[in-house]
Amino acid sequence: NAGVTQTPKFRVLKTGQSMTLLCAQDMNHEYMYWYRQDPGMGLRLIHYSVGEGTTAKGEVPDGYNVSRLKKQNFLLGLESAAPSQTSVYFCASNRGNQETQYFGPGTRLLVL
Amino acid sequence: AQKVTQAQTEISVVEKEDVTLDCVYETRDTTYYLFWYKQPPSGELVFLIRRNSFDEQNEISGRYSWNFQKSTSSFNFTITASQVVDSAVYFCALSGTNTGNQFYFGTGTSLTVIP
Repeated sequence: NAGVTQTPKFRVLKTGQSMTLLCAQDMNHEYMYWYRQDPGMGLRLIHYSVGEGTTAKGEVPDGYNVSRLKKQNFLLGLESAAPSQTSVYFCASNRGNQETQYFGPGTRLLVL
Repeated sequence: AQKVTQAQTEISVVEKEDVTLDCVYETRDTTYYLFWYKQPPSGELVFLIRRNSFDEQNEISGRYSWNFQKSTSSFNFTITASQVVDSAVYFCALSGTNTGNQFYFGTGTSLTVIP
């Protein structure tokens, strides 16, 4: 089992460009999450999904959109990247509420 | 409100010393879970432990031990005889009945073990 995988590992964008981060999990987990990690701020939840076709906002959703068209995939989109979105993005998944979340390796994004 | 506080931003110890990482939480839930994760320099987040609010027994796993005290809302993590490989950022997290599906993470403690 690969667990949780993220694509790409690293990306550089110019301000205003768009991109999509892909998260995939092979553990048949219902719930999936996108976080961002910034120095000194821990992990902050952007959006999450409790099942195929559902999404919900987390703590810092502005500037991001998500889609969960298939149970195993959770996409994070940046429509118009801003320097403030420079961060490390982590995807996670779990079986259900309060269950252990398992994380992907992260995507490092730099917006110039 | 749900909140996790890791007051120690950075800790340095010499190899073989014991070290305790503090985690204090706030929640109004009566049922909740607490977690610890390790983030080594390579960047991935590694799950260490999950405890529920009804189980206050201390847990030991090799050189790692966890002390859960409801009375002080703390879930502290101790590494015995630290090793260089323990150098990492450690995160404590909380998930409560009424937090929906959200985890609340502390800001992490960066541990450096000096050889």
